[in-house]
Amino acid sequence: GQQLNQSPQSMFIQEGEDVSMNCTSSSIFNTWLWYKQDPGEGPVLLIALYKAGELTSNGRLTAQFGITRKDSFLNISASIPSDVGIYFCAGQLLIRNDMRFGAGTRLTVKP
Amino acid sequence: NAGVTQTPKFRVLKTGQSMTLLCAQDMNHEYMYWYRQDPGMGLRLIHYSVGEGTTAKGEVPDGYNVSRLKKQNFLLGLESAAPSQTSVYFCASSYGRASGGSEAFFGQGTRLTVV
Repeated sequence: GQQLNQSPQSMFIQEGEDVSMNCTSSSIFNTWLWYKQDPGEGPVLLIALYKAGELTSNGRLTAQFGITRKDSFLNISASIPSDVGIYFCAGQLLIRNDMRFGAGTRLTVKP
Repeated sequence: NAGVTQTPKFRVLKTGQSMTLLCAQDMNHEYMYWYRQDPGMGLRLIHYSVGEGTTAKGEVPDGYNVSRLKKQNFLLGLESAAPSQTSVYFCASSYGRASGGSEAFFGQGTRLTVV
């Protein structure tokens, strides 16, 4: 089953608002990743985090690797209509070579 | 640049039929992955490969087989399709482990319906 718990499942916001979503796990991850999926496309990497406590930005997006290594959050500031899509967290366990994904957060931005 | 290419893009199968999904990457990546995406479930890993000739099971491997005979290709097989395998299938590839800084690139998906 899923090892990553992502919340919220969906969000409906007004253009210009800030957005926050997070991912938690019962396992320790050594890498956290945030992806975005547009309709009909595969996911595309937004931000990668490699160290506990790391805070990384990519334009209006900011993500943090939790100190406990069991959680991560993604913030989007001043949302715009093209932010619409599904956002996934993904992680890699210390002892594995594969990536596991959360269930996704579906974001809708109303103009 | 082609990146990761999946074929076919759409397919309808009857229960019990078999088929193979092809994933091809032209980036000389070592790692390749097959995921399935279902509503509310996110992406679940089926099988993956860390190099030519190797394969490993993911979270949901039952009912699927894979082969990596050539570095650039990763094949996903369904021997006897079931309605529960109706899903969108995504292939991805990366140079190395995510923890080593390697980004995974995804194909555009294959929408499979089993009736």
